[in-house]
Amino acid sequence: KAGVTQTPRYLIKTRGQQVTLSCSPISGHRSVSWYQQTPGQGLQFLFEYFSETQRNKGNFPGRFSGRQFSNSRSEMNVSTLELGDSALYLCASSSRGLGTEAFFGQGTRLTVV
Amino acid sequence: GESVGLHLPTLSVQEGDNSIINCAYSNSASDYFIWYKQESGKGPQFIIDIRSNMDKRQGQRVTVLLNKTVKHLSLQIAATQPGDSAVYFCAEKGGSQGNLIFGKGTKLSVKP
Repeated sequence: KAGVTQTPRYLIKTRGQQVTLSCSPISGHRSVSWYQQTPGQGLQFLFEYFSETQRNKGNFPGRFSGRQFSNSRSEMNVSTLELGDSALYLCASSSRGLGTEAFFGQGTRLTVV
Repeated sequence: GESVGLHLPTLSVQEGDNSIINCAYSNSASDYFIWYKQESGKGPQFIIDIRSNMDKRQGQRVTVLLNKTVKHLSLQIAATQPGDSAVYFCAEKGGSQGNLIFGKGTKLSVKP
């Protein structure tokens, strides 16, 4: 059974640009959650999608958005990038959603210059 | 507010010894906890979980203990191996959205 796949692994973007990250969950899992990981703030919850609907959202500005497709694959978009958006972005998939056993991908390392 | 914290940011143990990683949580309503291991350059890897109706759960070489009275969680690793070197995070299901809240992490270093 394939694990959670995130692409790309690394990205370098310039301030003001936008970026789209992709996550393919474990087959059969309908929940995809996104997290931002930084040395200072640790792992912080961005949002969760379940069956193509955003079900929960953390405390991030509207520049951070996402969507989920019918095959459960999810994308996360960050617009008007800021230096502080540099982080490891992780997605986690689970069969039942938030607060249950979740499996993480390897993450996308985003660097904003 | 809601928070999950760790007592020790770094832990160094001798190969073969047992390791104990501690975690304090603040939301007494949290009903589910997970321990994750994160190796350098990788995403967090699920180790073991426990629900609040239990106080102990064992896996392969790992045991999680939950003390709801003092809101404390611990991860015990038996016969620690070099491959156990990583950052360990505890997480609680206690966010306002029902999401997982992660602690800052404890770095475990295993000396050969």
